[in-house]
Amino acid sequence: DAMVIQNPRYQVTQFGKPVTLSCSQTLNHNVMYWYQQKSSQAPKLLFHYYDKDFNNEADTPDNFQSRRPNTSFCFLDIRSPGLGDAAMYLCATSAGYQETQYFGPGTRLLVL
Amino acid sequence: LAKTTQPISMDSYEGQEVNITCSHNNIATNDYITWYQQFPSQGPRFIIQGYKTKVTNEVASLFIPADRKSSTLSLPRVSLSDTAVYYCLVGDTGRRALTFGSGTRLQVQP
Repeated sequence: DAMVIQNPRYQVTQFGKPVTLSCSQTLNHNVMYWYQQKSSQAPKLLFHYYDKDFNNEADTPDNFQSRRPNTSFCFLDIRSPGLGDAAMYLCATSAGYQETQYFGPGTRLLVL
Repeated sequence: LAKTTQPISMDSYEGQEVNITCSHNNIATNDYITWYQQFPSQGPRFIIQGYKTKVTNEVASLFIPADRKSSTLSLPRVSLSDTAVYYCLVGDTGRRALTFGSGTRLQVQP
């Protein structure tokens, strides 16, 4: 039973064309995270929500935005994707701080 | 920010015990140490978490010395399917989030 679902699994977009990645969870967790992971690198935290409290990492580009309309869903919006934004985007959830994070399968983004 | 340092890669053979050590000199009093495993094209998966001394579950053990400035993940009798990247994370109380270190790429050979 999937607990953290990410759609789509693969996304192809054009340079500069906005794209939205989605994440949903069935765990009713308070915290939702978005990570970016490039090839052979560790996941890099972009931002996270603690309930409705949004926490942006200092080095996350303004090009990346997020929405969490309710507990179950969280979206990652890339307003003007560049070639350097091609990566795997991982969504994770946890019940609270320092609790186990449950990751989705990721969305692989390709920018043409 | 509690930074972690791990070996970049390790090699082992099937059936051997593998120990991966992580340094976290600036760990804060309230921080826990967590290890994740990641296979290619998948999200990381929780392995084990601990605060001090020793923690054991069905897949691994975690050893943490008294000063908590390092920790060692122990995988008993590894198999080919344990080939993956292993990440050590330490809680960051200031940011309420965990930061992934560079990870250790474990290659298990027959």
